[in-house]
Amino acid sequence: AQKITQTQPGMFVQEKEAVTLDCTYDTSDPSYGLFWYKQPSSGEMIFLIYQGSYDQQNATEGRYSLNFQKARKSANLVISASQLGDSAMYFCAMSGVYTGNQFYFGTGTSLTVIP
Amino acid sequence: ETGVTQTPRHLVMGMTNKKSLKCEQHLGHNAMYWYKQSAKKPLELMFVYNFKEQTENNSVPSRFSPECPNSSHLFLHLHTLQPEDSALYLCASSLPPGIAGNTIYFGEGSWLTVV
Repeated sequence: AQKITQTQPGMFVQEKEAVTLDCTYDTSDPSYGLFWYKQPSSGEMIFLIYQGSYDQQNATEGRYSLNFQKARKSANLVISASQLGDSAMYFCAMSGVYTGNQFYFGTGTSLTVIP
Repeated sequence: ETGVTQTPRHLVMGMTNKKSLKCEQHLGHNAMYWYKQSAKKPLELMFVYNFKEQTENNSVPSRFSPECPNSSHLFLHLHTLQPEDSALYLCASSLPPGIAGNTIYFGEGSWLTVV
């Protein structure tokens, strides 16, 4: 069975500081992908970053990086130099090559950036 | 400009009304999805279509009726809804399953209120 766990319901960070949002996962799929999405109050789910299970290097996209530790089954999102516009819900998700169209989502972490 | 467009963005309907949500994707994908997001609940997968064929129906009540006339368009027909159906309905699309790096892209969502 596939499972995504986000244990931080809410996080606060000072503007311009870095913040790490935690995500752990469980899967029996030998090949899988891990994703992070941002959901502002407007509702749209915005794709941020992707990490493949066989990728040797951690994924980075601008101020976003994914700290992938395969043995620990964790895929934490690191946001550097936080901005006020980063305040939103953040969802971790996973999909396996052998699990078809199933994208499994965590319960989300609400991030608030403080001026 | 988003690759997945949903209309309407906001809908208020009575319990005896019939309405439809529309989704269109411009990404060349072949899989389309409906998700429901209620307040303080995880994302719930409702339906999945692959190449216009429904491949997932997660025990969704029959008052929700999906339609996928082609790989670019997806509808959710609504009739005799209940107040607890009030939620954000998110449409998404992706490449077919089994492709490494397959990412799911979401529309801006349709906020539905049933009165």
